[in-house]
Amino acid sequence: QSVLTQPPSVSAAPGQKVTISCSGSTSNIGYNYVSWYQHLPGTAPKLLIYGDDKRPSGIPDRFSGSKSGTSATLGITGLQTGDEADYYCGTWDNSLSAVVFGGGTKLTVL
Amino acid sequence: EVQLVESGGDLVQPGGSLRLSCAASGFTFSNDEMNWVRQAPGKGLEWVSYISSSGDTVYYADFVKGRFTISRDNAKNSLFLQMNSLSAEDTAVYYCVRDRSPVGTEFDPWGQGTLVTVSS
Repeated sequence: QSVLTQPPSVSAAPGQKVTISCSGSTSNIGYNYVSWYQHLPGTAPKLLIYGDDKRPSGIPDRFSGSKSGTSATLGITGLQTGDEADYYCGTWDNSLSAVVFGGGTKLTVL
Repeated sequence: EVQLVESGGDLVQPGGSLRLSCAASGFTFSNDEMNWVRQAPGKGLEWVSYISSSGDTVYYADFVKGRFTISRDNAKNSLFLQMNSLSAEDTAVYYCVRDRSPVGTEFDPWGQGTLVTVSS
């Protein structure tokens, strides 16, 4: 069972918007920056969001991040079939002295 | 181009040992913190271990404490993971990952991964 809680799956139609939640506690999300990763099968995971809401260069602005209290959210607008992947949130946990990830959310673009 | 290339993954018997390596290029390796992250078949990403830029500070996930040792050679731009007392639960793809920032987790890039299979 993961320290950070994500929904196992989300789905939406092409062109639509989807959000993926990531719930934690004061020892992790509530105190540290959150990052988000996209993982397509057979490839290396890719950094999508860091510092709660910042996008690395090359990541389109269709991807956004936000945080409130002990929860973070990844938003994806203008869904494309190429966005079908597993998405993970991650952060540092002060109590565990460890990096923690969410269990991952599988995005299906119908 | 910033690149990480893992090697050393193999089929090993339960109780055996394996040493993973990660060759870094395209950035000043000695400036950055590094991690190992794994993904077991059908499972999610699971952090394994962290090492500071100098190598002075290390952290481990509870499930590998006492069995795995992370180290680095900054002169050779290399990261290592010594894995002992392996069990079937350690079967996974192991990724070498750079943390771009000392403040928060900014894992970028990730290597392509190396497969460790523990089986008799």
